[in-house]
Amino acid sequence: DIQLTQSPSFLSASVGDRVTITCRASQGISSYLAWYQTAPGKAPKLLIYAASTLQSGVPSRFSGSGSGTAFTLTISSLQPEDFATYYCLQHNTYPRTFGQGTKVEIK
Amino acid sequence: QVQLQESGPGLVKPSETLSLTCTVSGGSFSSYYWSWIRQPPGKGLEWIGYIYYSGTTNYNSSLKSRVTISIDTSKNQFSLRLSSVTAADTAVYYCAREIVPWDGSGIFYFDSWGQGTLVTVSS
Repeated sequence: DIQLTQSPSFLSASVGDRVTITCRASQGISSYLAWYQTAPGKAPKLLIYAASTLQSGVPSRFSGSGSGTAFTLTISSLQPEDFATYYCLQHNTYPRTFGQGTKVEIK
Repeated sequence: QVQLQESGPGLVKPSETLSLTCTVSGGSFSSYYWSWIRQPPGKGLEWIGYIYYSGTTNYNSSLKSRVTISIDTSKNQFSLRLSSVTAADTAVYYCAREIVPWDGSGIFYFDSWGQGTLVTVSS
C-alpha cells in the first residue's frame, strides 16, 4: 500500500496567515492526489483534486501543487471557517490511502 | 446536487455484524464508484471498499475477509456489512462517491460524501 505522510500534524495560526501543509508519498503517484477538509459532524469537503485543480465552489485562497512524491496544500490567507482538519488522499492505486491529517487551530 | 446519507444502528455487539446503508439522491447512480470509508475516534481515515452499479466490488485487503458491499439500484442505495466486529471497528463510517475517469484521464477523486454515522462496538 502507498503510505502518505503529512506534516505538520498540528498547526496553530492566526486569521490572515499563509499556511502550507505537506504530503509525501512512499512511491510516485504522478498527480493523483486530492485534499479534503473535515470538521466534526460535517461531510468531508473536496478542496483540490489532481494535485492542483480547485474543486468548483472552493475559494481561490486554497491551492495545491506537486507531483510524484511531494505535494503541498496552501491557504493564502486563513479565514475563520478554515480552522479544521485537512487530509491528503492518493487516487493512484487501490487501496486508496490517506495522510494522517493536519489539524489547523486558532493561535 | 447529489446527496448521500448513511443510516443504520449506532451500537453493535462484539462478534456481531455491522450493517449500514447509504441512500443517494439528486444524481445518477451509474458511472461512479460508491465507497465506504471509516474513521476511528482520534485516528485517520481508512478506505474500506467500493461497488459499481454493475455489482463489481473492490475491497481493502485489510478488511476483505469480513466485508461485503452490495447495491440496490432500484432504491439508489448501497450497503456495507462488516462481520465479526470488535472494539477496533468503532468508528465514524462515511459513504462517498468516487468520480471515475471514463475519458481516460486517470483522474479519480471522491467528490461527494455523507455526513458520517458513528458506530460503536460494545456489549
